[in-house]
Amino acid sequence: AQKVTQAQTEISVVEKEDVTLDCVYETRDTTYYLFWYKQPPSGELVFLIRRNSFDEQNEISGRYSWNFQKSTSSFNFTITASQVVDSAVYFCALTGMDSNYQLIWGAGTKLIIKP
Amino acid sequence: DAGVTQSPTHLIKTRGQQVTLRCSPKSGHDTVSWYQQALGQGPQFIFQYYEEEERQRGNFPDRFSGHQFPNYSSELNVNALLLGDSALYLCASSLEPGRTANIQYFGAGTRLSVL
Repeated sequence: AQKVTQAQTEISVVEKEDVTLDCVYETRDTTYYLFWYKQPPSGELVFLIRRNSFDEQNEISGRYSWNFQKSTSSFNFTITASQVVDSAVYFCALTGMDSNYQLIWGAGTKLIIKP
Repeated sequence: DAGVTQSPTHLIKTRGQQVTLRCSPKSGHDTVSWYQQALGQGPQFIFQYYEEEERQRGNFPDRFSGHQFPNYSSELNVNALLLGDSALYLCASSLEPGRTANIQYFGAGTRLSVL
């Protein structure tokens, strides 16, 4: 069965610090997809990135970067030079044939950026 | 381009009552999924609708039912409300479900409180 673990329940950093959110997954699929979503206090889940299992290149989008390592089954998310607006709960999710392409969610990491 | 819209934003009901939540998908999307998110947890998949039929269902009792209309909008109905049904209910829209992981776009949710 598929599983996503976000071991960090809550992280608190001071603005401008870099912060990494960890995501470890388990799956029997050889083809699968990983996602990150952001949930600000408003409640709406905002899509950040989708990565398929055959693309191990790291991705950078502005201050956001993602490190996908198949060898350790991890898909970590780094925010560089954090800002107060980055404060939110961040979810990692996994999908594939094993879950009939439904999203399997981690428990989320609450990120607090202090001014 | 309108995103996913949900109504109402908040709802207060008492045990035993019935509730209907509504969702309009993002323009161009034809698939709607519903999730329940308890406080401090990740979303839990309830069911997915495509072509006005329930295509997949999570581990939720029959008290939870839904409908999709020809314009792709959807309703979630919950009968015989229990205190444990108190949660944020999220609607997500995507393109036709298939053998790949289409990106799901979420609404801001309906916060249901059962007293």
